[in-house]
Amino acid sequence: DADVTQTPRNRITKTGKRIMLECSQTKGHDRMYWYRQDPGLGLQLIYYSFDVKDINKGEISDGYSVSRQAQAKFSLSLESAIPNQTALYFCANRAGLNTEAFFGQGTRLTVV
Amino acid sequence: EDQVTQSPEALRLQEGESSSLNCSYTVSGLRGLFWYRQDPGKGPEFLFTLYSAGEEKEKERLKATLTKKESFLHITAPKPEDSATYLCAVQAIGQGAQKLVFGQGTRLTINP
Repeated sequence: DADVTQTPRNRITKTGKRIMLECSQTKGHDRMYWYRQDPGLGLQLIYYSFDVKDINKGEISDGYSVSRQAQAKFSLSLESAIPNQTALYFCANRAGLNTEAFFGQGTRLTVV
Repeated sequence: EDQVTQSPEALRLQEGESSSLNCSYTVSGLRGLFWYRQDPGKGPEFLFTLYSAGEEKEKERLKATLTKKESFLHITAPKPEDSATYLCAVQAIGQGAQKLVFGQGTRLTINP
């Protein structure tokens, strides 16, 4: 079983549409993260959450929102998708500040 | 601003040909440095954490080392299955402590 599960794995959507990417974890970690990966740019932090009541913006939060529905669930929404949001999106969790992050398999999003 | 730069961007080796990947970083204070392996279409997979200069970690054909300004991932007698993108990330102390800052990665190809 995967510790971090992302759905969907692939999605094609049209410009202007609202879309939600979902993430669930079985590790019981409080810290959850959403990253975006573009070719040649590495991973950029979109949002992070340390518990259900704690949501924080990352480096590139504009155009995105998140919801922490439970300790195990952290969703990323694109309110009105645009083509430059085409990328690979990863959810991750961590047990603590000094610990490694565990990543999901990613969602490949294409906005046309 | 915390920064991570990896070099080279891409490296092609013959099976058995040892080499090193570089991760240079600039942070106000280093809490930890992380190495990940990423296969195409998959999420990053944790390899090592290094916390202080002089520390070394080994796993099979991989050895990670750390100085005050950079980290190296040494690959000894690599095999084709070592082909992947290797990512480096830093965890800073203080204001940047809540997030991992990633480099852009080194794409490693091992030819049989």
